[in-house]
Amino acid sequence: DGGITQSPKYLFRKEGQNVTLSCEQNLNHDAMYWYRQDPGQGLRLIYYSQIVNDFQKGDIAEGYSVSREKKESFPLTVTSAQKNPTAFYLCASRREGGTEGAVYNSPLHFGNGTRLTVT
Amino acid sequence: AQKVTQAQTEISVVEKEDVTLDCVYETRDTTYYLFWYKQPPSGELVFLIRRNSFDEQNEISGRYSWNFQKSTSSFNFTITASQVVDSAVYFCALSGPWSQGAQKLVFGQGTRLTINP
Repeated sequence: DGGITQSPKYLFRKEGQNVTLSCEQNLNHDAMYWYRQDPGQGLRLIYYSQIVNDFQKGDIAEGYSVSREKKESFPLTVTSAQKNPTAFYLCASRREGGTEGAVYNSPLHFGNGTRLTVT
Repeated sequence: AQKVTQAQTEISVVEKEDVTLDCVYETRDTTYYLFWYKQPPSGELVFLIRRNSFDEQNEISGRYSWNFQKSTSSFNFTITASQVVDSAVYFCALSGPWSQGAQKLVFGQGTRLTINP
């Protein structure tokens, strides 16, 4: 079955260490996204990528970096510059392209998330 | 700027009761899209419905129904005869027209719904 795989489900790191969260999709979707979820704050967009080798900052990109070397993969690195890294991170993808109407017929597909705890 | 407000942080009801989750949005766009997602304890968000700003017809899908009212900028979600499996966090989301980056969904804070047996 097609879907989005995020690994690991739980991740623990010491403060000052960089950590990379994995996101892989086999849906053949062009666009991929990273969201951060904190209690009471909903989901906030970190980075997104519409095509391979291209990505844009979202609303809270500071302290994070991404790469998009393959269509299927969109790893997120939480750097030591991120002041409050402990959160639940969700990766998503969506088929894009075609007409505007066709784009909107395609909802976001989400992975199961990675819960990162930094102490 | 776009904004989505889900004023109900937590709702708890007894099984078989009807429950309505409120969603109020702000946007200056004339073309926009509204979504509802369900987040069960497993963590992933599950897409429930998408609505564009030109379609104000209410929609019903089984026990789920959605009431879209542009006059009050609301897109409320009602579960009829609730079941324990409906327990989850529900998110309302808004996106603008394609020309302004439709991929940038703006989410509400979420409503945690607990259905007690």
